[in-house]
Amino acid sequence: ILNVEQSPQSLHVQEGDSTNFTCSFPSSNFYALHWYRWETAKSPEALFVMTLNGDEKKKGRISATLNTKEGYSYLYIKGSQPEDSATYLCAPYGGATNKLIFGTGTLLAVQP
Amino acid sequence: EAGVAQSPRYKIIEKRQSVAFWCNPISGHATLYWYQQILGQGPKLLIQFQNNGVVDDSQLPKDRFSAERLKGVDSTLKIQPAKLEDSAVYLCASTSDRGVYGYTFGSGTRLTVV
Repeated sequence: ILNVEQSPQSLHVQEGDSTNFTCSFPSSNFYALHWYRWETAKSPEALFVMTLNGDEKKKGRISATLNTKEGYSYLYIKGSQPEDSATYLCAPYGGATNKLIFGTGTLLAVQP
Repeated sequence: EAGVAQSPRYKIIEKRQSVAFWCNPISGHATLYWYQQILGQGPKLLIQFQNNGVVDDSQLPKDRFSAERLKGVDSTLKIQPAKLEDSAVYLCASTSDRGVYGYTFGSGTRLTVV
């Protein structure tokens, strides 16, 4: 079983603050890294899928980077808004397991 | 395209009772997953189906949990009898391939066992 760690566990910020989260995972047998946003009472929504070392992806105010050699990914949110409040999950897809293994998530609360 | 449908959205039962959840994946998606997400933890895979066959059920507590995917489309997950520690969100997801490029999730069923 892959050990996927996310930090921090939770984060409370003010509207307009920028923030970032970390996802660390075993670098062996790596194939892809997924980020999902999960709002309460809704479906987890795919944000990014990254496969290459050094990959950077951006979607609006949210961006992510990937380091497959050292086994970590960062997710950044610039100028947080209340609608960004959600749990952010990372999940590596490993060639050995052929499935996503989820981290514990980072719960973000953005106060107006 | 329609998303992954799950029902019910919420369920409250007493311990030792039985409960069943239903999932209808995206049309044409061969692979279906059931995840359990306990508060404060990440989603944990319970069972993976490829069409109507089980690919992985290594983390399914088989003494009380069962799942089936008849005809390779809809799936049901059953708990009998339920325990307090089964309180969780049960997520269903589907994908048309091995899932390398992502899963499509339903909105989940929140189960509370009292």
